Amino acid sequence: SQTIHQWPATLVQPVGSPLSLECTVEGTSNPNLYWYRQAAGRGLQLLFYSVGIGQISSEVPQNLSASRPQDRQFILSSKKLLLSDSGFYLCAWSDQGLPYNEQFFGPGTRLTVL
Amino acid sequence: EDQVTQSPEALRLQEGESSSLNCSYTVSGLRGLFWYRQDPGKGPEFLFTLYSAGEEKEKERLKATLTKKESFLHITAPKPEDSATYLCAVQARGDYKLSFGAGTTVTVRA
Repeated sequence: SQTIHQWPATLVQPVGSPLSLECTVEGTSNPNLYWYRQAAGRGLQLLFYSVGIGQISSEVPQNLSASRPQDRQFILSSKKLLLSDSGFYLCAWSDQGLPYNEQFFGPGTRLTVL
Repeated sequence: EDQVTQSPEALRLQEGESSSLNCSYTVSGLRGLFWYRQDPGKGPEFLFTLYSAGEEKEKERLKATLTKKESFLHITAPKPEDSATYLCAVQARGDYKLSFGAGTTVTVRA
């Protein structure tokens, strides 16, 4: 069966510091990968998605970037964090071989920028 | 732009008191409508995919239905463990993206 991991689970960072969040998927090959942010009381906002190694699409221009160095690894980064980057970050995967895009989420990373 | 509106924002139920959650959507050609359950501090858990109007899916005390403009999630005889936020999302044809609603937070009291 497939498993998705995210780390760290929680992170407290000062404004202006760098960020690196990691997501890995087990038990599947060539998945679609996604990064979402969830603000309190709001829906999930898609930040980035990837259909393959090195292929990244950005949905929202902002202070963040994403990379996919390996087939099942997805990284979310920032060079300098802003207060507005605080939130709950979720990684998700879907099977490229299926006609419908059910997405399966990881446990999330709670980021607080102070 | 795809839009998803969920109502009510919050729902408080007594154990055994059945109710329904609403998800209204506008999308340029629906590929799929998805329901998720999210517990506090955790990632969303996939529940159902609905593909076409008239379709119904069931899982334990949950039943999801779909029309051309909205979907309902019916909770029959809920238990306290059904307490969670329920999220609805839509996918348009030719798009990878899911557009999510803000969710309905359900609290079931014993």
